[in-house]
Amino acid sequence: ETGVTQSPTHLIKTRGQQVTLRCSSQSGHNTVSWYQQALGQGPQFIFQYYREEENGRGNFPPRFSGLQFPNYSSELNVNALELDDSALYLCASSLGQSWGELFFGEGSRLTVL
Amino acid sequence: AQTVTQSQPEMSVQEAETVTLSCTYDTSENNYYLFWYKQPPSRQMILVIRQEAYKQQNATENRFSVNFQKAAKSFSLKISDSQLGDTAMYFCAFILDDKIIFGKGTRLHILP
Repeated sequence: ETGVTQSPTHLIKTRGQQVTLRCSSQSGHNTVSWYQQALGQGPQFIFQYYREEENGRGNFPPRFSGLQFPNYSSELNVNALELDDSALYLCASSLGQSWGELFFGEGSRLTVL
Repeated sequence: AQTVTQSQPEMSVQEAETVTLSCTYDTSENNYYLFWYKQPPSRQMILVIRQEAYKQQNATENRFSVNFQKAAKSFSLKISDSQLGDTAMYFCAFILDDKIIFGKGTRLHILP
């Protein structure tokens, strides 16, 4: 059974740039959710996708967008990067539309200069 | 709006001792879920234990158990016979409908 994998593990961008982060779900999972974890803080829910449709969103501006593909892998896109976007971005997969056990990846560490 | 509060930023206990991590939350809803997640230094978060709000019985998973007090909106985690591998950040999480809210976490150190 393959776990949740995220790429890249680390990246550095400058203010105003755009970034795409990728996530491969655990085998058999059809739901993916994304989180932003600032240093020393708990994860903040960005959004969740179930079968390629967004079915939940946290308090993040529209410049945070996502996609889920037919194979249930997912992308998180962030446009017009700001310094405060520097954080660890976590992806989690789960099975079904309702909240079940989340299986997390190790995250992508984004630094915005 | 729902909130989750973990009032203990950091705790240290000796190996084999019992430790309790506190979590309180605020909601006017009746049906929701509560979780405890563990984030070891390697960063990958894993589920420790979950509780459905409609269940009065406290959840237990081996050395981990919760004290769920719905009226008080409290959801504490008890770790019995603590082990060095329990050293991690612990996050309490509240789930309602299509949103999940995590607390700020408690950093737990298990001392040899």
